[in-house]
Amino acid sequence: DADVTQTPRNRITKTGKRIMLECSQTKGHDRMYWYRQDPGLGLQLIYYSFDVKDINKGEISDGYSVSRQAQAKFSLSLESAIPNQTALYFCATSDLPRKTGTVREGEQFFGPGTRLTVL
Amino acid sequence: GEDVEQSLFLSVREGDSSVINCTYTDSSSTYLYWYKQEPGAGLQLLTYIFSNMDMKQDQRLTVLLNKKDKHLSLRIADTQTGDSAIYFCAETVYGNKLVFGAGTILRVKS
Repeated sequence: DADVTQTPRNRITKTGKRIMLECSQTKGHDRMYWYRQDPGLGLQLIYYSFDVKDINKGEISDGYSVSRQAQAKFSLSLESAIPNQTALYFCATSDLPRKTGTVREGEQFFGPGTRLTVL
Repeated sequence: GEDVEQSLFLSVREGDSSVINCTYTDSSSTYLYWYKQEPGAGLQLLTYIFSNMDMKQDQRLTVLLNKKDKHLSLRIADTQTGDSAIYFCAETVYGNKLVFGAGTILRVKS
């Protein structure tokens, strides 16, 4: 079974609709992230959460909100979808940096992505 | 601010070496990463280098780091068609966050 799962994998919606993308992980990581990927722009960080009570805005948080329901779950919402939010969305997790060096600082594990189309 | 730049496209013949280049801005980054994204999939960590190293070799992959110029490169020896993918350079910044480059599309011609 995949360690980081995302649902749905594909979604087509209309302008103005509210959309929720969900992410679940079985890695036991405290840190979770939401990115969007646009061609030629790489990955841009939308929101990140270092634990259940700690949620932070990323580079492009406008138009998005998140909820960290549990350590294993981090959902991304588009309150009122617009066409320029059409993109590929990725969830990722990471563990706390450890002094033993067995966990590399910053190493993130990605879900398979959700392709969202807003018409 | 943080910025990571990569060339957008590279085309090579099967069996040749591929070199993907990246420049980054945060000199305090502890690790620098190369992620690979195959069509229709998420990103997977390919290799990484610790900032106090100049070179790291891992089978067909060689990572070179020039800290003075903030330049990172990934060399893939004997490139195969299965290496066709998008390759992302990433640097760590404060708080365990990653900043990604735009990605380099590697196309391998048989």
